[in-house]
Amino acid sequence: AQSVTQPDIHITVSEGASLELRCNYSYGATPYLFWYVQSPGQGLQLLLKYFSGDTLVQGIKGFEAEFKRSQSSFNLRKPSVHWSDAAEYFCAVGATSSGGYNKLIFGAGTRLAVHP
Amino acid sequence: DTGVSQDPRHKITKRGQNVTFRCDPISEHNRLYWYRQTLGQGPEFLTYFQNEAQLEKSRLLSDRFSAERPKGSFSTLEIQRTEQGDSAMYLCASSLGDRNTEAFFGQGTRLTVV
Repeated sequence: AQSVTQPDIHITVSEGASLELRCNYSYGATPYLFWYVQSPGQGLQLLLKYFSGDTLVQGIKGFEAEFKRSQSSFNLRKPSVHWSDAAEYFCAVGATSSGGYNKLIFGAGTRLAVHP
Repeated sequence: DTGVSQDPRHKITKRGQNVTFRCDPISEHNRLYWYRQTLGQGPEFLTYFQNEAQLEKSRLLSDRFSAERPKGSFSTLEIQRTEQGDSAMYLCASSLGDRNTEAFFGQGTRLTVV
């Protein structure tokens, strides 16, 4: 069965520091991969997605992620964190069916705190 | 279009009562999804529709839960005889349903069962 693991429950960084959030997935074929961000009490906003092609994908708000098939990973990175990036981040894999994916399987999330 | 809309945003109900939530997807989206998110966890898939057809239901969706999308536009999720364990954020999402499109989420309905 497909699954997603986010090993870090909580991360704290200083404003201006670089950031890497880890995500490992379990899936046999090329997965559909996503990173979403959730502010307190809010829905999820898509940061970026990987379906195929270039393994380094760029997203909104200066985020990027790299798909590494050999490591079954899709880590999220940002070179310089801003205080407004404090939120919860979810990695997800699309459970596939013919013609695409039909639902998302989420990791448990990583809560990011940013110190001034 | 303002995105996926959910109503109400918050609902407090007594145990044993029935509740109904509404989701209005992005207008041209033919797929609609319901997820449940409990505190400290990622969202868990409940069910999804392609137009008005409910194509998959999770085992999480007990017989007290029912979802409809009668005209392939808005959807409702009803929980009968609510239990304290039903307290969660209920998220709706919609997508075009094509293979390379993402799902857009609403802001959710937070249910508290007291």
